[in-house]
Amino acid sequence: DTEVTQTPKHLVMGMTNKKSLKCEQHMGHRAMYWYKQKAKKPPELMFVYSYEKLSINESVPSRFSPECPNSSLLNLHLHALQPEDSALYLCASSQGTGVFYEQYFGPGTRLTVT
Amino acid sequence: ELKVEQNPLFLSMQEGKNYTIYCNYSTTSDRLYWYRQDPGKSLESLFVLLSNGAVKQEGRLMASLDTKARLSTLHITAAVHDLSATYFCAVDITGNQFYFGTGTSLTVIP
Repeated sequence: DTEVTQTPKHLVMGMTNKKSLKCEQHMGHRAMYWYKQKAKKPPELMFVYSYEKLSINESVPSRFSPECPNSSLLNLHLHALQPEDSALYLCASSQGTGVFYEQYFGPGTRLTVT
Repeated sequence: ELKVEQNPLFLSMQEGKNYTIYCNYSTTSDRLYWYRQDPGKSLESLFVLLSNGAVKQEGRLMASLDTKARLSTLHITAAVHDLSATYFCAVDITGNQFYFGTGTSLTVIP
């Protein structure tokens, strides 16, 4: 299984809502990532988890809260988002970090904040 | 600050023609990746280039890496409509931080 899955595919939420994005992989990868991609722009790294520990936080606002319950799962908890947070959120995984491993991307969650 | 720039940003080409997309980056790295993205979709891995002088080919696409020039190229041979997509290069300098290029939006016209 060489697949990264993400749910939901689409999410519409108000600025006062709390929601979560979910990412799952069963490739035995020990590193997982969250990216944000605005329309017609490249993906931007948000968070990196290595062996279930947060290793990189690219100065992301606290209204985005990542969580890695186990080595196969990665969540992104959303609270009090702004309309400018509307974007495609991509999850990726790789065998590890510190060495140069290819990243495998999920299909993404398209988020709209109203 | 690392910069990864692609040229051109937009490319419209006729079927059957050849063209090259360029990816320049501003710091030392010998790891470069090429991805394809269709509208509204995720990123599909095309090539992984892991050393200076690396060249890889798949179908009508060929990628190369010159680490001394900090340059990678993606060459398209005899373009077909199915190649229409956005192409990103990505540089990895730490082993877990991908810096994506600006992207090249390719449209192949019949």
